[in-house]
Amino acid sequence: RKEVEQDPGPFNVPEGATVAFNCTYSNSASQSFFWYRQDCRKEPKLLMSVYSSGNEDGRFTAQLNRASQYISLLIRDSKLSDSATYLCVVNYSSYKLIFGSGTRLLVRP
Amino acid sequence: EPEVTQTPSHQVTQMGQEVILRCVPISNHLYFYWYRQILGQKVEFLVSFYNNEISEKSEIFDDQFSVERPDGSNFTLKIRSTKLEDSAMYFCASSLGQGVQPQHFGDGTRLSIL
Repeated sequence: RKEVEQDPGPFNVPEGATVAFNCTYSNSASQSFFWYRQDCRKEPKLLMSVYSSGNEDGRFTAQLNRASQYISLLIRDSKLSDSATYLCVVNYSSYKLIFGSGTRLLVRP
Repeated sequence: EPEVTQTPSHQVTQMGQEVILRCVPISNHLYFYWYRQILGQKVEFLVSFYNNEISEKSEIFDDQFSVERPDGSNFTLKIRSTKLEDSAMYFCASSLGQGVQPQHFGDGTRLSIL
């Protein structure tokens, strides 16, 4: 089983749509969780940390289910600028981030 | 907003040559990292560095690789004898703390081995 698994997509949605991405991780001892976004050939940029109680940042909502080892990201009212690859990232030790392969999102006009 | 900076943006090197990739982490950060991303693949952890020593490294980080913080600002990754398979994007990252503290990435150095 992959350490961090994501649906590769692409998700092709119209502007204004709501889209959800899922991610599963294999190590139950994982300590912290993040969503990063990556534009083509650019660096990963932190989108948000994911907390056990769930958290929201504007149009973005992240959820964590430790029992199921499952993380989700919901994007509401999609914008053209949301088009990117969304990386599910898990901190397995104090230092090391494990990245999923990413889910590609295309938002069309 | 403070950022991690990396130089050069693109490095082309002959196989077998040594290469040094440079990074300036965010100034008050204490933890430093190198990751790489081969084209079309996921980002992979190489090494973490804290208090002037390696705190964790991956299987990829073999004897050909070394890291150094030669002064108070720079953090370097050296590959001693490059191989074709070292061609990748190399990202430096830094964080204020460990664990729940997020890591912030530089814009990367594209390394091309000929």
